[in-house]
Amino acid sequence: DAKTTQPPSMDCAEGRAANLPCNHSTISGNEYVYWYRQIHSQGPQYIIHGLKNNETNEMASLIITEDRKSSTLILPHATLRDTAVYYCIGRRIQGAQKLVFGQGTRLTINP
Amino acid sequence: GAVVSQHPSRVICKSGTSVKIECRSLDFQATTMFWYRQFPKQSLMLMATSNEGSKATYEQGVEKDKFLINHASLTLSTLTVTSAHPEDSSFYICSQQGNNEQFFGPGTRLTVL
Repeated sequence: DAKTTQPPSMDCAEGRAANLPCNHSTISGNEYVYWYRQIHSQGPQYIIHGLKNNETNEMASLIITEDRKSSTLILPHATLRDTAVYYCIGRRIQGAQKLVFGQGTRLTINP
Repeated sequence: GAVVSQHPSRVICKSGTSVKIECRSLDFQATTMFWYRQFPKQSLMLMATSNEGSKATYEQGVEKDKFLINHASLTLSTLTVTSAHPEDSSFYICSQQGNNEQFFGPGTRLTVL
């Protein structure tokens, strides 16, 4: 699975867009980019995933560069409840593939 | 997404006792479940992959005789921490494999005195 690199922490003002970067320069052609988040003392929550096209759902948008070496998770209007650790993970989609968690980015939304 | 529950949510036990943690898939039949643990201020570490009706696959460094995993049905996997010691105190989280993503339980906080 691809190694991912994320900044250890970020701050964002409530109501603004939070843009979380992730580098995955060694990602292979059959690996998707997955994003999960973990709010304190809870299990991780799936956010979004994508292969090469940009994706959007009710939670977030995922922008993947054309060379697929990096991506950005966008929370369009951050709220205090979005304070969490965000994990970017490269993973093949076929079958039951384990997730390898890095250290993630601790995002703090400030009022 | 799929709903995964864990029981108990927290447990405190004495050193040397065994603790069983249940992971239930409430609305999805999960052939594969995963067990993770998380120490304070650290990331999740995969312990083992549990397959329904067969033996679990353990990650390197995880003692299979200490962390017993049973996945007897498509909706239930259990993790038993045998002869628990204070260093086993951790946050244990299970997840189930959905169609394209994993869904995680709320976690069980184990404290061994």
